[in-house]
Amino acid sequence: DTEVTQTPKHLVMGMTNKKSLKCEQHMGHRAMYWYKQKAKKPPELMFVYSYEKLSINESVPSRFSPECPNSSLLNLHLHALQPEDSALYLCASSSRQGHEQFFGPGTRLTVL
Amino acid sequence: AQTVTQSQPEMSVQEAETVTLSCTYDTSESDYYLFWYKQPPSRQMILVIRQEAYKQQNATENRFSVNFQKAAKSFSLKISDSQLGDAAMYFCAYSGGVGNNDMRFGAGTRLTVKP
Repeated sequence: DTEVTQTPKHLVMGMTNKKSLKCEQHMGHRAMYWYKQKAKKPPELMFVYSYEKLSINESVPSRFSPECPNSSLLNLHLHALQPEDSALYLCASSSRQGHEQFFGPGTRLTVL
Repeated sequence: AQTVTQSQPEMSVQEAETVTLSCTYDTSESDYYLFWYKQPPSRQMILVIRQEAYKQQNATENRFSVNFQKAAKSFSLKISDSQLGDAAMYFCAYSGGVGNNDMRFGAGTRLTVKP
């Protein structure tokens, strides 16, 4: 299995909602990543988990809360988001931090 | 801090022709990895090719090859026999290696393939 899966594919939420994005990989990778991507821009790194521990937090607002329940799963909990948070959220994994990353298809988030 | 620069926001190529996408980077590290990723419109980011800095030989994957000039810090992607399915945004990316920081992306080059 060489796939990174993400659910849901699309999400529309209001500014008062709480929602979660999910990411899963079964490649035995020990590093997992969350990125935010705006249209026609490169991905911006949000969080890195290495061996299920948060190793990088790129000064992301606290309304985004990551969670790594085990080595295969990565969640991103969303609360009180702003319209400017609307974007494509990408999950990726790599065998170790620093190696090539394999990306999921992303969740397209719209905040109303 | 490492930076990656793609100076060509847009490129176009005729089907079956060859096109080269440019990328330069800045780093003080000696051990690192370089990548080209492809992202078709509204579709998944796919790894096209990777290059380890310690390897002198340029990486090749079928119609895709790179010209890696370590001293010049240049990492260009050549696409031969271009196909309609090659149309996408191409991102050059830098990674500092094992256990070392995150991946840095260039701004991207949008490639159009004309039939």
